Amino acid sequence: GQQLNQSPQSMFIQEGEDVSMNCTSSSIFNTWLWYKQDPGEGPVLLIALYKAGELTSNGRLTAQFGITRKDSFLNISASIPSDVGIYFCAGRLLTGNQFYFGTGTSLTVIP
Amino acid sequence: EPEVTQTPSHQVTQMGQEVILRCVPISNHLYFYWYRQILGQKVEFLVSFYNNEISEKSEIFDDQFSVERPDGSNFTLKIRSTKLEDSAMYFCASRPGVNEKLFFGSGTQLSVL
Repeated sequence: GQQLNQSPQSMFIQEGEDVSMNCTSSSIFNTWLWYKQDPGEGPVLLIALYKAGELTSNGRLTAQFGITRKDSFLNISASIPSDVGIYFCAGRLLTGNQFYFGTGTSLTVIP
Repeated sequence: EPEVTQTPSHQVTQMGQEVILRCVPISNHLYFYWYRQILGQKVEFLVSFYNNEISEKSEIFDDQFSVERPDGSNFTLKIRSTKLEDSAMYFCASRPGVNEKLFFGSGTQLSVL
């Protein structure tokens, strides 16, 4: 299967700081999705990206579809305690219905 | 807001028993999925279902697994003879045909003893 590598693996930041994380692949993807998962819960969709170079925001969150189509980036501005969780990227290839998930970035926000 | 509904939220079973996990995808969605997540690991694809048939499946989805859409609203995952390593959180997901947003349910935690 496809490998989607997320970095960093974990982050510990102070409340109010900005956060950046990324997701990379060796294959070209047609769609990138970003999710947040709380313990014991299902992934919650944050942002969807459909075109290379696309920049989309959802409140304090901004995500970008990389120009090479092999990567995507998520930024969170002015972090708050409820941003704590695991963030996953997911991508779909040009063909097929499967969404491949990244390895996840665990975010801890220190008040 | 419409959501994917999964039941039960927890299922405990003995090794070798059959289990059926149930899902009600979002109405009017056309693509349905099962994923699983072993504790502390990433979300793994099991199977996708479209137009009343399996469109893709992973290596995990062997002969012990099957899916069904029995009545136009429910989408089920059956594990015929559970193994210890089947213990995981199982997520159902659906997406409409028009755009690519994939929505997940809150999962069924399966524990095989």
